[in-house]
Amino acid sequence: KAGVTQTPRYLIKTRGQQVTLSCSPISGHRSVSWYQQTPGQGLQFLFEYFSETQRNKGNFPGRFSGRQFSNSRSEMNVSTLELGDSALYLCASSLRVDTGELFFGEGSRLTVL
Amino acid sequence: DAKTTQPTSMDCAEGRAANLPCNHSTISGNEYVYWYRQIHSQGPQYIIHGLKNNETNEMASLIITEDRKSSTLILPHATLRDTAVYYCIVWERGTASKLTFGTGTRLQVTL
Repeated sequence: KAGVTQTPRYLIKTRGQQVTLSCSPISGHRSVSWYQQTPGQGLQFLFEYFSETQRNKGNFPGRFSGRQFSNSRSEMNVSTLELGDSALYLCASSLRVDTGELFFGEGSRLTVL
Repeated sequence: DAKTTQPTSMDCAEGRAANLPCNHSTISGNEYVYWYRQIHSQGPQYIIHGLKNNETNEMASLIITEDRKSSTLILPHATLRDTAVYYCIVWERGTASKLTFGTGTRLQVTL
């Protein structure tokens, strides 16, 4: 069974631009969560989607948004990029929402110049 | 606020058991203990979880003290590929909260 797939794996943007990251969950998984990982703050929860609905949101500004499609694939968008948005963005999927067993992708590494 | 406390780093000789401790003295009755690890440049990987009883799977064993205030993850025969950051997380099932990762323990397995 294929794992969680995130695209692109690496990207470079400049301040003020926007970026869209994509996540394809494991087949059959309907819950998708996003995390941001930086050296200073570690792994921080961004948001979670289940059946196209955002169920939970972390403490991030409104520049960070996401959505989930009917096939459970998810995208997250960051607008008006700042230098501090440089990070590894990780997507995780799970069968259900009431489980702590998440399956993570390898992440999308964003560098903002 | 962090719900778990772990040592910053540990070393282990290859082939020996790696015992990674975690303190979660404020854990509530409904909270599970989860362990993940993150090998450099990869996404976190689920290892094991438990509520009260000790648990074992093909990767590791989880020992939870009777008062549930601490636990130990045991990798029975550590290999170089087990070098990673190990995260101990407490999480309440059935809530809207998601996993909160702390700083973890950086385990270095050496020859």
